[in-house]
Parts: sequence; structure tokens; C-alpha cells
Amino acid sequence: KNQVEQSPQSLIILEGKNCTLQCNYTVSPFSNLRWYKQDTGRGPVSLTIMTFSENTKSNGRYTATLDADTKQSSLHITASQLSDSASYICVVSAVYSGGGADGLTFGKGTHLIIQP
Amino acid sequence: GAVVSQHPSWVICKSGTSVKIECRSLDFQATTMFWYRQFPKQSLMLMATSNEGSKATYEQGVEKDKFLINHASLTLSTLTVTSAHPEDSSFYICSIAAPSYNEQFFGPGTRLTVL
Repeated sequence: KNQVEQSPQSLIILEGKNCTLQCNYTVSPFSNLRWYKQDTGRGPVSLTIMTFSENTKSNGRYTATLDADTKQSSLHITASQLSDSASYICVVSAVYSGGGADGLTFGKGTHLIIQP
Repeated sequence: GAVVSQHPSWVICKSGTSVKIECRSLDFQATTMFWYRQFPKQSLMLMATSNEGSKATYEQGVEKDKFLINHASLTLSTLTVTSAHPEDSSFYICSIAAPSYNEQFFGPGTRLTVL
């Protein structure tokens, strides 16, 4: 069964500090891994998307890493800001002939709170 | 990325009534749209795949007669929650698949509260 596990479930850090969120998956056959940011009461917004051959990808202060061998990914946030408070969702896409949402497995997300 | 809108952003209704939620692709013709439901502190759960001009494909456990989906045009899909009950209260999110079919863009979501 395809699964995506995220840790920690929640995290509180002070503004300006760095943090790293983890994602472990057992999705097969693997296509790509995405990190989304979801503000409270809003839809998810894509941060990064990585395929099998990519080890790291950055989007501003967000840097995602992927180890396809160990099936682990991390999202590192540098110099956190109050606006980074949100849920961060790891989504892994399996390779199916039809593509689309039926090939996606969602993690439950990490709820991040940035305190001033 | 593609812009996806939803209307309304929130709705409160009485038990037994029906509620229609619209999902629009504002700058992209989407032959396929997806409807998700998200309960508090839970991950998004795919409910159904909406196909333009044909019947929607529902995930296992989702009642097609309760959650009516219509995808009449390339830019609009609607989800109607019929005879809503308090347990239907949730956050409903739609998404569209980009041409590469490996990227999805999500709408802002609709918060449904059934009293």
C-alpha cells in the first residue's frame, strides 16, 4: 500500500530560526515528489516538485531534498518568517499510464507555527 | 501556475438542503478536474475525478448520488452535496491537472458547515 509519512506532526519555532521537515514514502513506482504549503482555510500551493533524478531543489528560502534510494525527502526552511506559519504537505506521485490524481498519495502534513 | 477559483469560499446550510460548489479554471482549459475533501488536521482525500463531457469517476466509498459532479465546460466543474448532513461538514478543494499531467493546481477551497 502506498503511504507517505511526515514528521514532526507539528512544530513551533521562533522567527528567524531554521527548521527541517521530513517525509518518508513507500510509493511505487515513483514518479515525483512535491511539497505544498497550505495556509489555514486555503488550498495547497506548490513549493517544489522533484523527479527521481533530482536530489535538491530550492524555491527562495525553501530547499527540498530527495533521496530516492532511502525514499526520504526533507524540506528546509531558512530564516523563518511569520508568514511561513502553515501546514506543509508532502505528496508523492506514482507512475500510472493515465496519470492524474489517482496516482497521488498525500501526507497528513506538518503544522508549522512561527512565533515572534 | 494556473489560476483556479472556487465559489463560494464558505457556506453554512441547514441539514437536508443541497449545496453547490463551483470550481473554475481561469486561464487554462481543463479536461479533467479533481475534487478533494479535507477534515481538520487530516490530509486531502480524493473524492472524484471530473471529466469534461462525461461522467465523473468516484473513489471507493464516495456516494455518487450524494456528491453530484457536473463538468459541463472546459473551465467549470460543480460539486453538489445533496441532502447535506452535519457529517458532510468539511473543507472541499478542487484542482486541475496541468498539461504535463504531473502537476496540479489547487483552488482556494470551500468551507462547508452543515447545521
